[in-house]
Amino acid sequence: QQQVKQSPQSLIVQKGGISIINCAYENTAFDYFPWYQQFPGKGPALLIAIRPDVSEKKEGRFTISFNKSAKQFSLHIMDSQPGDSATYFCAASSLTGNQFYFGTGTSLTVIP
Amino acid sequence: NAGVTQTPKFQVLKTGQSMTLQCAQDMNHNSMYWYRQDPGMGLRLIYYSASEGTTDKGEVPNGYNVSRLNKREFSLRLESAAPSQTSVYFCASTWGGGYYEQYFGPGTRLTVT
Repeated sequence: QQQVKQSPQSLIVQKGGISIINCAYENTAFDYFPWYQQFPGKGPALLIAIRPDVSEKKEGRFTISFNKSAKQFSLHIMDSQPGDSATYFCAASSLTGNQFYFGTGTSLTVIP
Repeated sequence: NAGVTQTPKFQVLKTGQSMTLQCAQDMNHNSMYWYRQDPGMGLRLIYYSASEGTTDKGEVPNGYNVSRLNKREFSLRLESAAPSQTSVYFCASTWGGGYYEQYFGPGTRLTVT
């Protein structure tokens, strides 16, 4: 059973546009929600993360929005650039646990 | 500081053959993980080691074994490879617990024919 559900599977955005990727979870014990970025042929790397004591976290063009009551969180990429073309994974974990649960990934293509 | 290293980068096996994937980290991390990545299925946890001397099953452990050789090294063994084990395998490490950044290796692309 997929602990973290991610959509869409793929996304094509024009340069300068906004990319939005959504994730949902069921386990209320999760209290850490990172996003990882993966370029072809490379391992994933942490992009940005949020804890549920805040509803939004912004780092440059990347923003996580978090809705605790709906058990949903999303990644927004503002002013998307061709260099942002990659696969993005959301994930969830808990302070007391040792496992990270990943979404199925979103392949983002930014067209020049 | 190499981070997380994996060997080999590529491997082709015949059905029934065995092999060990090696992983090492130089960040003094306590926890280490093995994932497999398949198209449309994301990253699935095979095994993890929360600390030196301990290992636990993840979501998809069947057909695999692991060894936490010391704090730095965590190996994954396929005893009798099957075509269903064709995948990209990633090793990762973290300080420990679910609040810390996971650092991933570059991956091993395994094909079983």
